[in-house]
Amino acid sequence: AQRVTQPEKLLSVFKGAPVELKCNYSYSGSPELFWYVQYSRQRLQLLLRHISRESIKGFTADLNKGETSFHLKKPFAQEEDSAMYYCALSGFGVQGAQKLVFGQGTRLTINP
Amino acid sequence: KAGVTQTPRYLIKTRGQQVTLSCSPISGHRSVSWYQQTPGQGLQFLFEYFSETQRNKGNFPGRFSGRQFSNSRSEMNVSTLELGDSALYLCASSLHLGGSLTGELFFGEGSRLTVL
Repeated sequence: AQRVTQPEKLLSVFKGAPVELKCNYSYSGSPELFWYVQYSRQRLQLLLRHISRESIKGFTADLNKGETSFHLKKPFAQEEDSAMYYCALSGFGVQGAQKLVFGQGTRLTINP
Repeated sequence: KAGVTQTPRYLIKTRGQQVTLSCSPISGHRSVSWYQQTPGQGLQFLFEYFSETQRNKGNFPGRFSGRQFSNSRSEMNVSTLELGDSALYLCASSLHLGGSLTGELFFGEGSRLTVL
């Protein structure tokens, strides 16, 4: 079964402090992991994907297959980072078709 | 390029009624997925359609159904509404390349359903 766990529903840090949003997954195959973000009054949108190994808005995430984790990190938080963050896993469902499974999300608040 | 469009944006129904929600994907996107978003459960996968075929279904009762048309537009239907069906229903479209999803879903703004 495909499962994504985000242990923190709420996370609050001060501006300029480091941020780490935790994500653990369960999947027997080779997963593709993503982080999606939803800013206030905006649509849910892709932030980054592990396969690209990119840094978006200062955020990075490394896939650790040994620990089955895909934590999202940023060294210096900005107020505009306040949003809801979802970790997602793309695996295969029935008929060989892929589906995206989301964690429950972490609401990140950056305090001034 | 126009984004994913969902209608209606808001609706109020009473228990026992049924509802149909509509989704127009981004032009060229042939995969459409539906999610239910609630504060307690987060984003729950409902189903995914590609070329008018349902390829994946989440763990929802049979009251939840959907379909996709030849122009990739999709509808979902919920019959015999219950109070617990109150939620934001999100539609997302995706580009489908070589048999695999690219993994990037483009979401609509959602249809907020309130069941009284």
